[in-house]
Amino acid sequence: QKEVEQDPGPLSVPEGAIVSLNCTYSNSAFQYFMWYRQYSRKGPELLMYTYSSGNKEDGRFTAQVDKSSKYISLFIRDSQPSDSATYLCAMSVEVYGNKLVFGAGTILRVKS
Amino acid sequence: ETGVTQSPTHLIKTRGQQVTLRCSSQSGHNTVSWYQQALGQGPQFIFQYYREEENGRGNFPPRFSGLQFPNYSSELNVNALELDDSALYLCASSLGQANGYTFGSGTRLTVV
Repeated sequence: QKEVEQDPGPLSVPEGAIVSLNCTYSNSAFQYFMWYRQYSRKGPELLMYTYSSGNKEDGRFTAQVDKSSKYISLFIRDSQPSDSATYLCAMSVEVYGNKLVFGAGTILRVKS
Repeated sequence: ETGVTQSPTHLIKTRGQQVTLRCSSQSGHNTVSWYQQALGQGPQFIFQYYREEENGRGNFPPRFSGLQFPNYSSELNVNALELDDSALYLCASSLGQANGYTFGSGTRLTVV
Protein backbone atom coordinates (compact mmCIF):
# COMPACT_ATOMS: atom_id res chain seq x y z
CA GLN A 1 0.00 0.00 0.00
CA LYS A 2 1.30 3.46 -0.92
CA GLU A 3 1.70 6.01 1.85
CA VAL A 4 -0.42 8.49 -0.12
CA GLU A 5 -3.26 7.48 -2.43
CA GLN A 6 -4.73 9.83 -5.02
CA ASP A 7 -7.26 9.09 -7.76
CA PRO A 8 -5.43 9.72 -11.06
CA GLY A 9 -8.57 10.74 -12.96
CA PRO A 10 -8.80 12.24 -15.46
CA LEU A 11 -11.53 14.43 -14.00
CA SER A 12 -13.43 16.39 -16.64
CA VAL A 13 -15.76 19.23 -15.60
CA PRO A 14 -17.52 22.15 -17.33
CA GLU A 15 -16.28 25.68 -16.78
CA GLY A 16 -17.71 27.18 -13.59
CA ALA A 17 -18.09 23.85 -11.79
CA ILE A 18 -16.88 23.16 -8.26
CA VAL A 19 -14.05 20.66 -8.30
CA SER A 20 -13.18 18.34 -5.42
CA LEU A 21 -9.78 16.65 -5.34
CA ASN A 22 -8.87 14.19 -2.61
CA CYS A 23 -6.05 12.19 -1.10
CA THR A 24 -5.91 9.57 1.62
CA TYR A 25 -2.82 8.59 3.55
CA SER A 26 -1.69 5.89 5.92
CA ASN A 27 1.08 7.53 7.97
CA SER A 28 -0.51 9.16 11.01
CA ALA A 29 2.73 11.08 11.63
CA PHE A 30 2.08 13.38 8.66
CA GLN A 31 1.23 16.84 9.95
CA TYR A 32 2.08 19.21 7.11
CA PHE A 33 -0.07 19.04 3.97
CA MET A 34 0.30 20.69 0.58
CA TRP A 35 -1.33 20.89 -2.82
CA TYR A 36 0.74 21.48 -5.93
CA ARG A 37 -0.39 22.23 -9.47
CA GLN A 38 1.68 20.94 -12.37
CA TYR A 39 1.19 22.05 -15.95
CA SER A 40 2.48 19.91 -18.78
CA ARG A 41 6.28 20.04 -19.12
CA LYS A 42 6.58 22.22 -16.00
CA GLY A 43 7.62 21.66 -12.39
CA PRO A 44 5.05 21.56 -9.55
CA GLU A 45 3.83 24.93 -8.24
CA LEU A 46 2.74 25.25 -4.60
CA LEU A 47 -0.96 26.19 -4.32
CA MET A 48 -1.88 25.65 -0.69
CA TYR A 49 -0.36 24.37 2.52
CA THR A 50 -1.94 23.57 5.85
CA TYR A 51 -0.65 22.41 9.19
CA SER A 52 -2.56 19.67 11.01
CA SER A 53 -6.36 19.51 10.76
CA GLY A 54 -8.59 22.32 9.59
CA ASN A 55 -9.51 24.44 6.60
CA LYS A 56 -7.64 27.09 4.69
CA GLU A 57 -9.05 29.32 1.96
CA ASP A 58 -7.20 31.31 -0.69
CA GLY A 59 -9.34 32.90 -3.38
CA ARG A 60 -11.11 30.16 -5.33
CA PHE A 61 -9.16 27.42 -3.53
CA THR A 62 -10.01 25.76 -0.19
CA ALA A 63 -7.87 23.08 1.41
CA GLN A 64 -9.27 20.77 4.09
CA VAL A 65 -7.42 18.32 6.33
CA ASP A 66 -9.12 15.66 8.44
CA LYS A 67 -6.38 13.89 10.36
CA SER A 68 -8.84 11.59 12.16
CA SER A 69 -9.84 10.13 8.79
CA LYS A 70 -6.40 10.58 7.18
CA TYR A 71 -8.09 12.46 4.35
CA ILE A 72 -7.29 15.76 2.66
CA SER A 73 -9.21 17.69 0.03
CA LEU A 74 -8.77 20.62 -2.32
CA PHE A 75 -11.85 22.44 -3.58
CA ILE A 76 -11.75 24.74 -6.59
CA ARG A 77 -14.71 27.07 -7.04
CA ASP A 78 -15.75 28.61 -10.37
CA SER A 79 -13.28 26.42 -12.23
CA GLN A 80 -11.63 27.90 -15.32
CA PRO A 81 -10.02 26.27 -18.39
CA SER A 82 -6.71 27.63 -17.09
CA ASP A 83 -7.13 25.35 -14.05
CA SER A 84 -6.61 22.34 -16.36
CA ALA A 85 -3.49 20.68 -14.98
CA THR A 86 -2.34 17.80 -12.78
CA TYR A 87 -2.94 18.38 -9.07
CA LEU A 88 -0.58 16.70 -6.65
CA CYS A 89 -1.09 16.34 -2.93
CA ALA A 90 2.04 16.17 -0.80
CA MET A 91 2.71 15.76 2.89
CA SER A 92 5.55 15.55 5.36
CA VAL A 93 6.14 14.41 8.92
CA GLU A 94 8.05 17.40 10.20
CA VAL A 95 7.02 21.02 9.94
CA TYR A 96 10.50 21.75 8.69
CA GLY A 97 10.90 18.33 7.12
CA ASN A 98 13.10 17.52 4.22
CA LYS A 99 11.06 14.83 2.51
CA LEU A 100 7.77 15.45 0.78
CA VAL A 101 5.66 12.37 0.01
CA PHE A 102 3.51 12.96 -3.05
CA GLY A 103 0.36 11.36 -4.36
CA ALA A 104 0.33 10.20 -7.98
CA GLY A 105 -1.58 13.30 -9.09
CA THR A 106 -5.08 13.88 -10.48
CA ILE A 107 -5.44 15.15 -14.05
CA LEU A 108 -8.12 17.87 -14.21
CA ARG A 109 -9.68 19.09 -17.44
CA VAL A 110 -12.00 22.10 -17.35
CA LYS A 111 -14.01 22.41 -20.56
CA SER A 112 -15.08 25.83 -21.83
CA GLU B 1 18.01 35.97 -10.70
CA THR B 2 14.73 34.41 -9.56
CA GLY B 3 13.36 30.90 -9.80
CA VAL B 4 15.04 27.50 -10.05
CA THR B 5 16.74 26.67 -13.32
CA GLN B 6 17.71 23.19 -14.45
CA SER B 7 19.88 22.00 -17.31
CA PRO B 8 19.67 20.37 -19.70
CA THR B 9 15.92 20.31 -20.36
CA HIS B 10 16.08 17.03 -22.26
CA LEU B 11 18.66 14.28 -22.42
CA ILE B 12 18.95 10.88 -24.08
CA LYS B 13 21.45 8.37 -22.73
CA THR B 14 22.28 4.75 -23.35
CA ARG B 15 21.89 2.08 -20.67
CA GLY B 16 25.08 1.77 -18.62
CA GLN B 17 26.19 5.37 -19.21
CA GLN B 18 26.56 8.07 -16.56
CA VAL B 19 24.70 11.39 -16.46
CA THR B 20 25.03 14.68 -14.59
CA LEU B 21 22.07 17.00 -14.14
CA ARG B 22 22.44 20.57 -12.90
CA CYS B 23 20.34 22.92 -10.83
CA SER B 24 20.69 26.59 -9.94
CA SER B 25 18.75 27.41 -6.79
CA GLN B 26 16.50 30.39 -6.36
CA SER B 27 18.50 33.35 -5.12
CA GLY B 28 19.17 33.12 -1.37
CA HIS B 29 17.97 29.53 -1.04
CA ASN B 30 20.49 27.29 0.76
CA THR B 31 18.59 24.00 0.63
CA VAL B 32 18.10 21.90 -2.49
CA SER B 33 16.19 18.66 -2.96
CA TRP B 34 16.04 16.31 -5.92
CA TYR B 35 13.00 14.32 -6.95
CA GLN B 36 12.36 11.70 -9.64
CA GLN B 37 8.98 11.79 -11.37
CA ALA B 38 8.14 8.80 -13.55
CA LEU B 39 5.43 9.22 -16.17
CA GLY B 40 1.99 9.31 -14.54
CA GLN B 41 3.41 9.29 -11.02
CA GLY B 42 4.08 11.82 -8.30
CA PRO B 43 7.63 12.96 -7.57
CA GLN B 44 9.75 10.62 -5.43
CA PHE B 45 12.30 12.10 -3.00
CA ILE B 46 15.91 11.25 -3.91
CA PHE B 47 17.92 13.37 -1.44
CA GLN B 48 18.38 16.83 -0.01
CA TYR B 49 21.43 19.03 0.51
CA TYR B 50 21.69 21.76 3.12
CA ARG B 51 24.77 23.97 3.21
CA GLU B 52 26.72 21.49 1.04
CA GLU B 53 25.95 18.45 3.23
CA GLU B 54 23.56 15.62 2.38
CA ASN B 55 20.62 15.95 4.75
CA GLY B 56 18.24 13.10 4.10
CA ARG B 57 17.95 10.45 1.41
CA GLY B 58 15.07 8.52 -0.08
CA ASN B 59 14.95 4.92 -1.22
CA PHE B 60 17.40 5.24 -4.11
CA PRO B 61 20.55 3.17 -4.67
CA PRO B 62 24.07 4.60 -4.18
CA ARG B 63 24.52 5.06 -7.94
CA PHE B 64 22.40 8.19 -7.40
CA SER B 65 24.69 10.79 -5.87
CA GLY B 66 24.80 14.54 -5.56
CA LEU B 67 26.74 17.64 -4.74
CA GLN B 68 25.92 21.12 -3.54
CA PHE B 69 28.37 23.93 -4.21
CA PRO B 70 29.20 27.01 -2.10
CA ASN B 71 26.87 29.11 -4.29
CA TYR B 72 24.13 26.56 -3.43
CA SER B 73 23.84 25.25 -6.97
CA SER B 74 23.64 21.48 -7.17
CA GLU B 75 24.32 18.42 -9.31
CA LEU B 76 22.63 15.04 -9.49
CA ASN B 77 24.80 12.23 -10.82
CA VAL B 78 23.48 8.85 -11.88
CA ASN B 79 25.88 6.03 -12.74
CA ALA B 80 25.21 2.80 -14.62
CA LEU B 81 21.95 4.07 -16.08
CA GLU B 82 19.04 1.66 -16.29
CA LEU B 83 15.96 1.85 -18.50
CA ASP B 84 13.81 2.51 -15.39
CA ASP B 85 15.81 5.67 -14.70
CA SER B 86 13.89 7.32 -17.54
CA ALA B 87 11.91 10.07 -15.81
CA LEU B 88 11.56 13.78 -15.15
CA TYR B 89 14.16 14.87 -12.59
CA LEU B 90 13.07 17.84 -10.51
CA CYS B 91 15.17 20.13 -8.39
CA ALA B 92 13.54 22.15 -5.62
CA SER B 93 15.11 24.84 -3.47
CA SER B 94 14.09 26.54 -0.26
CA LEU B 95 15.47 28.85 2.40
CA GLY B 96 16.42 26.65 5.32
CA GLN B 97 14.65 23.34 5.66
CA ALA B 98 11.12 24.68 5.39
CA ASN B 99 8.54 23.06 3.17
CA GLY B 100 8.07 26.06 0.93
CA TYR B 101 9.96 24.55 -1.97
CA THR B 102 10.25 26.18 -5.38
CA PHE B 103 10.54 23.59 -8.14
CA GLY B 104 12.37 23.92 -11.41
CA SER B 105 10.86 22.74 -14.70
CA GLY B 106 12.94 19.57 -14.58
CA THR B 107 15.22 17.57 -16.84
CA ARG B 108 13.55 14.89 -18.95
CA LEU B 109 15.96 11.92 -19.05
CA THR B 110 15.38 9.09 -21.49
CA VAL B 111 17.51 5.95 -21.21
CA VAL B 112 17.54 3.73 -24.28
